[in-house]
Amino acid sequence: DQQVKQNSPSLSVQEGRISILNCDYTNSMFDYFLWYKKYPAEGPTFLISISSIKDKNEDGRFTVFLNKSAKHLSLHIVPSQPGDSAVYFCAASALSGANNLFFGTGTRLTVIP
Amino acid sequence: NAGVMQNPRHLVRRRGQEARLRCSPVKGHSHVYWYRQLPEEGLKFMVYLQKENIIDESGMPKERFSAEFPKEGPSILRIQQVVRGDSAAYFCASSPTRQANEKLFFGSGTQLSVL
Repeated sequence: DQQVKQNSPSLSVQEGRISILNCDYTNSMFDYFLWYKKYPAEGPTFLISISSIKDKNEDGRFTVFLNKSAKHLSLHIVPSQPGDSAVYFCAASALSGANNLFFGTGTRLTVIP
Repeated sequence: NAGVMQNPRHLVRRRGQEARLRCSPVKGHSHVYWYRQLPEEGLKFMVYLQKENIIDESGMPKERFSAEFPKEGPSILRIQQVVRGDSAAYFCASSPTRQANEKLFFGSGTQLSVL
């Protein structure tokens, strides 16, 4: 029962272009969303988050958009850099605490120089 | 400051053996979480511990799995009588408080392979 879904296992983008990673969720009670980035042989690291009271949050080259009615969020990376190549996980929670986080299956982003 | 340290990085066990996975949280963090990532799946929460106490074990299988976080030393995830379905990446994470998702730090994980 995957409550958070990332339907694209992989994505390739040219350096300098925009990367768009998508995430869908089924639980309408989710009110807090995060993106994590994971390099090979390392653990996931926090990238950016958004609460359901907002529809956009921006941090440098990274912007997360939330569409509550569609139960969809996306991560935009502009411009994409080779160092952004990693697996990106979307996560969501309805209650505070990391024991209430639900993760997607991840999207592997490859930025081609 | 050292991050979350997990060992071993890779662990190979035969069916029926025991697996012990260790996690040392970030210094000063008293909240530890264990997650499991099965092939082709996302990370799934297993257990949440706060120094010597299990706070939430709702994601942990009822049999063969146990976890502890003693007053001194690392947190241990123990799997008895491993089966092939236990093969997965096991990640530990720590945080300074409970309500701190942005401050959740993950270890590099232990890849368990059951032959």
